[in-house]
Amino acid sequence: DAKTTQPPSMDCAEGRAANLPCNHSTISGNEYVYWYRQIHSQGPQYIIHGLKNNETNEMASLIITEDRKSSTLILPHATLRDTAVYYCIVRVAQGAQKLVFGQGTRLTINP
Amino acid sequence: DAGITQSPRHKVTETGTPVTLRCHQTENHRYMYWYRQDPGHGLRLIHYSYGVKDTDKGEVSDGYSVSRSKTEDFLLTLESATSSQTSVYFCATKKSEGGETDTQYFGPGTRLTVL
Repeated sequence: DAKTTQPPSMDCAEGRAANLPCNHSTISGNEYVYWYRQIHSQGPQYIIHGLKNNETNEMASLIITEDRKSSTLILPHATLRDTAVYYCIVRVAQGAQKLVFGQGTRLTINP
Repeated sequence: DAGITQSPRHKVTETGTPVTLRCHQTENHRYMYWYRQDPGHGLRLIHYSYGVKDTDKGEVSDGYSVSRSKTEDFLLTLESATSSQTSVYFCATKKSEGGETDTQYFGPGTRLTVL
């Protein structure tokens, strides 16, 4: 699986959009970009994933650059409950592979 | 997500005693996983299952065994618990593989303390 790089921490004001970057410059053509988050003491929560096109669901939007070397997770209207560690994972969508969580970005939403 | 429950949610036990953790899912997902999470190590895979009675080892399987006799249940057993197995254990499931179905969903976790 391709290696990812994320900033260790970010802050965002409540009600504003939170934009979390992820660099994955060695991504292969058949690898998806997945985003998970882990709120303190809870299990990791799936947010969104994509291959080439931008994706949006009820939780967030995922913007993938045209060369696929980086992506941005957007939480459009951050709330205090979005405070968590966010993980960007790049992997092939097949087989029984484990998920490899890096250090992630600790996002703090401030009132 | 995926109707995953874990039991017990918290357990304190003594060194040398057997412990069984249960993961139950209601979505008929094919794959099930057991991870442990420790400070400084992130999530590490213990064992996984790709079908009833089909299991395989992960990266930290020593001291653990698993069983899956039904699609919905995946049991993790510590035959003789040690203090190094004090951790938070997460179960995860995945519907199948490929494309949109290749997403793992996690349970709420079990906090195990071995004294």
